[in-house]
Amino acid sequence: AQKITQTQPGMFVQEKEAVTLDCTYDTSDPSYGLFWYKQPSSGEMIFLIYQGSYDQQNATEGRYSLNFQKARKSANLVISASQLGDSAMYFCAMRDGSSGNTGKLIFGQGTTLQVKP
Amino acid sequence: DAGITQSPRHKVTETGTPVTLRCHQTENHRYMYWYRQDPGHGLRLIHYSYGVKDTDKGEVSDGYSVSRSKTEDFLLTLESATSSQTSVYFCAISESQGITIYFGEGSWLTVV
Repeated sequence: AQKITQTQPGMFVQEKEAVTLDCTYDTSDPSYGLFWYKQPSSGEMIFLIYQGSYDQQNATEGRYSLNFQKARKSANLVISASQLGDSAMYFCAMRDGSSGNTGKLIFGQGTTLQVKP
Repeated sequence: DAGITQSPRHKVTETGTPVTLRCHQTENHRYMYWYRQDPGHGLRLIHYSYGVKDTDKGEVSDGYSVSRSKTEDFLLTLESATSSQTSVYFCAISESQGITIYFGEGSWLTVV
């Protein structure tokens, strides 16, 4: 069965430092996609980054990068140079091959990140 | 920002009453979804639609029904609301070939 696990309920990071948010996944499908979303206190879900299972390189989007380790089934989000506005809840999510190219996602429980000034 | 509007944004209702949440999109995307968010569970898929009048169940569909009579509108109905359906409900949309799934701003539902 598909599963996403985020083992860090909450994390702190000092402003301007880098932080890694952990995500492990489980699927038997060789074709899948991994997503990270940010949810600030206002509640909206903001798409950050996507990694396909066949992508050769780790995905990057500005200060966000995804450390994709396929053999370990991990897809950690790295935020470089943290800013106060990065304080939010972060969700890892997966879509496997059976879902095609749809938005049928399995979400992790989320990690709350607090950036300290 | 993707053109997704959810209504109502906040609602308090009594146990046993019917409730309908509406999701309206202006993007003409094929797929629409309803998720619920609860502490400790992240988001879970309730129902989704892959076209007008084409819908299917998600992970937590019991107690919910949906309808999509137009491309732009996707309705979620709680026929008889229960306290366990107190949650934040998110609508989402996506294109047939796209990667990004866009979420609405959420609807806070409290069943008392």
